[in-house]
Amino acid sequence: SAVISQKPSRDICQRGTSLTIQCQVDSQVTMMFWYRQQPGQSLTLIATANQGSEATYESGFVIDKFPISRPNLTFSTLTVSNMSPEDSSIYLCSVEYYAGVPLRTDTQYFGPGTRLTVL
Amino acid sequence: AQKITQTQPGMFVQEKEAVTLDCTYDTSDQSYGLFWYKQPSSGEMIFLIYQGSYDEQNATEGRYSLNFQKARKSANLVISASQLGDSAMYFCAMREGLDSNYQLIWGAGTKLIIKP
Repeated sequence: SAVISQKPSRDICQRGTSLTIQCQVDSQVTMMFWYRQQPGQSLTLIATANQGSEATYESGFVIDKFPISRPNLTFSTLTVSNMSPEDSSIYLCSVEYYAGVPLRTDTQYFGPGTRLTVL
Repeated sequence: AQKITQTQPGMFVQEKEAVTLDCTYDTSDQSYGLFWYKQPSSGEMIFLIYQGSYDEQNATEGRYSLNFQKARKSANLVISASQLGDSAMYFCAMREGLDSNYQLIWGAGTKLIIKP
């Protein structure tokens, strides 16, 4: 499977500031996703980021708050803008590709996550 | 209605025992896939096992197996011979449809703690 890295692994930020999270994959993939996981909760999809097109945001997430870039097939960034304590979460990027035998399905693999605390 | 239900918020299991984590799902699609992921305290999400709706045999991957009961719409994860390193959150997820045009729908998760 692909090796996915994220930077930073964790950060503590002041309210009102912005943080950009990087996601790097060691192979070219079309489908990349950004998720938020609030404390004690399950994953919530923020947006789908495909290279060469605008990111597609899920209900409740807007581009002004979570701008995403996808400049090539191995890299993406998510910015959390004008942060508030409610943005304190783990942010995860994932990539999806056809996993081949024996799975024979599109499977998502995740990066290590970015643990964000907003004071 | 919840599409994915994990009824066990937390479980304690003695080391070396087998453990079953429950997952029930709700879909009217004939084609769907079920995934299990493990999330240790470090935060990363680790893919464990997959079961397709048309797969006749239960999926297995090392110590992990999936008890797939299609008529009951359940896809329970079985971990044999549990180890301390199995302590983590476990999430069940479903894709309605079999290709990447369909998003994953996530359950609330089960926190598994293995006791020495």
